[in-house]
Amino acid sequence: DADVTQTPRNRITKTGKRIMLECSQTKGHDRMYWYRQDPGLGLRLIYYSFDVKDINKGEISDGYSVSRQAQAKFSLSLESAIPNQTALYFCATSDRGGPSTDTQYFGPGTRLTVL
Amino acid sequence: AQKVTQAQTEISVVEKEDVTLDCVYETRDTTYYLFWYKQPPSGELVFLIRRNSFDEQNEISGRYSWNFQKSTSSFNFTITASQVVDSAVYFCALSDDGGATNKLIFGTGTLLAVQP
Repeated sequence: DADVTQTPRNRITKTGKRIMLECSQTKGHDRMYWYRQDPGLGLRLIYYSFDVKDINKGEISDGYSVSRQAQAKFSLSLESAIPNQTALYFCATSDRGGPSTDTQYFGPGTRLTVL
Repeated sequence: AQKVTQAQTEISVVEKEDVTLDCVYETRDTTYYLFWYKQPPSGELVFLIRRNSFDEQNEISGRYSWNFQKSTSSFNFTITASQVVDSAVYFCALSDDGGATNKLIFGTGTLLAVQP
């Protein structure tokens, strides 16, 4: 089974709808992240969380909110989706300490289309 | 300001050729990490390597090798004897805030097409 899973993998929705993207991990990592990928722009950080009570905005948080329901679960919501939020969304996890400290491991991605 | 530049937008090679993907970074910090990720056509991001700023030894893993040169702020990636399965977008990334956010700054990626 994959260590980092994302649901759904693909979603098409309409402008104004509320959408939730979910991320779960079995790696036991404390830190979780949400990124979006747009063609030609690489990946940009939306939100990150270091534990259940610690949630922080990234560089492009406007129009998004998150919830850290448990150490293993981190959800991203679009309260009122708009077409320029059409993108590939990635969840990632990392941990501190050990040989892989601060290495981020990514889920398979969610392709979101807002019509 | 932190920045990662991957000047090569697309590279096309024929199978068995060697290919080098360039990565140049900017940071004011003396402690930082550099990463390479692979994104095959299926879309997932696969971690390839992490290098910290205090370790300038080059690394080889099978057909993959990485050349880290602090003097030129570069962390280049070479694939020897390329194969069709190497076709992907490759991202170089930088993390330089000592874990305060662990934010990864990504380059815009290099699309590698390996032709049979």
